[in-house]
Amino acid sequence: DSGVTQTPKHLITATGQRVTLRCSPRSGDLSVYWYQQSLDQGLQFLIQYYNGEERAKGNILERFSAQQFPDLHSELNLSSLELGDSALYFCASSVSPGGSYEQYFGPGTRLTVT
Amino acid sequence: GENVEQHPSTLSVQEGDSAVIKCTYSDSASNYFPWYKQELGKRPQLIIDIRSNVGEKKDQRIAVTLNKTAKHFSLHITETQPEDSAVYFCAASIGNAGNMLTFGGGTRLMVKP
Repeated sequence: DSGVTQTPKHLITATGQRVTLRCSPRSGDLSVYWYQQSLDQGLQFLIQYYNGEERAKGNILERFSAQQFPDLHSELNLSSLELGDSALYFCASSVSPGGSYEQYFGPGTRLTVT
Repeated sequence: GENVEQHPSTLSVQEGDSAVIKCTYSDSASNYFPWYKQELGKRPQLIIDIRSNVGEKKDQRIAVTLNKTAKHFSLHITETQPEDSAVYFCAASIGNAGNMLTFGGGTRLMVKP
């Protein structure tokens, strides 16, 4: 167990809908990262938050957004869902920049868009 | 941006043999290189990592080597066991601690008993 929690574990929804994925980092970790894992794209970085502020952005679609709350949990919002958004979504956490490099992954949310 | 390539995509070895997975990266500013093991349907699990100021690191049966000049790093698993069967990902990170990881495409390792 990495100490990173994600909910829900599974999500099945229809095209055009909106969903919210939730992540709680390890205790003390200030950075949260979101990654998407699909069969043909591998693990792709989406976005990083550090202590409530957006720190880095990857190839995240405009239909996707995220935020980190004062208690450091993070939410990833996916809207106008398409079939191609079906994937495993992982969040990872690490300590503040200048501290440990290691990123620890949560168990993931499997999103299926039908 | 950074690009990480990983080879081979699949690797089959006999139990007890060694396995080597290789990765190359494109950006010389990358300074942190972790390896993750992912079993089917589970989260990527950090198994070993190396920083750019170190050439080699070992932890029991696994070791990682880094060649900064050639911009490549490798994972070595000795005395493989069936429970080593999984997908292994290399990754690279640029800059200070807390930066995003760019992953290689993964290697599916199968250890035959």
